[in-house]
Amino acid sequence: SQQGEEDPQALSIQEGENATMNCSYKTSINNLQWYRQNSGRGLVHLILIRSNEREKHSGRLRVTLDTSKKSSSLLITASRAADTASYFCATDAKGAQKLVFGQGTRLTINP
Amino acid sequence: GAVVSQHPSRVICKSGTSVKIECRSLDFQATTMFWYRQFPKQSLMLMATSNEGSKATYEQGVEKDKFLINHASLTLSTLTVTSAHPEDSSFYICSAGGWGQGNQPQHFGDGTRLSIL
Repeated sequence: SQQGEEDPQALSIQEGENATMNCSYKTSINNLQWYRQNSGRGLVHLILIRSNEREKHSGRLRVTLDTSKKSSSLLITASRAADTASYFCATDAKGAQKLVFGQGTRLTINP
Repeated sequence: GAVVSQHPSRVICKSGTSVKIECRSLDFQATTMFWYRQFPKQSLMLMATSNEGSKATYEQGVEKDKFLINHASLTLSTLTVTSAHPEDSSFYICSAGGWGQGNQPQHFGDGTRLSIL
């Protein structure tokens, strides 16, 4: 079952703007990961944040994690047309040894 | 970096045909691999966990006899869709990663688009 809920389901912004996507989950986790999927392709790992971390950066990506609210956000700064893709959060629930994916956000960056 | 190769990338075949999809970890050993199914504009649904040298663990609602999984080596897992029908048409994706190594990301294959006529 999919425990992750993401919003918005779709987001369309202009190139250069920032894009923020949110993810909520239901169970206790070891870590939360964000992945990107270009149309018709596999997923590419973007960033992993552990349950004891609150914020993490990687290039233009910034991820926050609030375990008290069971939520995470992914911020892409200075967006580019090439950032157009679907973005998924995935949680590694404690004791589960598998990833559970959110519903995803389809991001479109308009040139 | 680590790479997972999935083959074939696309299959079109007649109803009743069995289709085998391969998932290989190219530069690391994977005792565990995962098979997902994805419908258009939807998320990934975990079908089963493939365990090297032992039986796969299937998620609830996934037919074991319909989706046969074999993980005979540390670098190869196969998913066979037996007697495929149009409703089995979907995008199938595998992943592998160092689960036993703590908090590690999964590496995904590029997926197989299966179309049953």
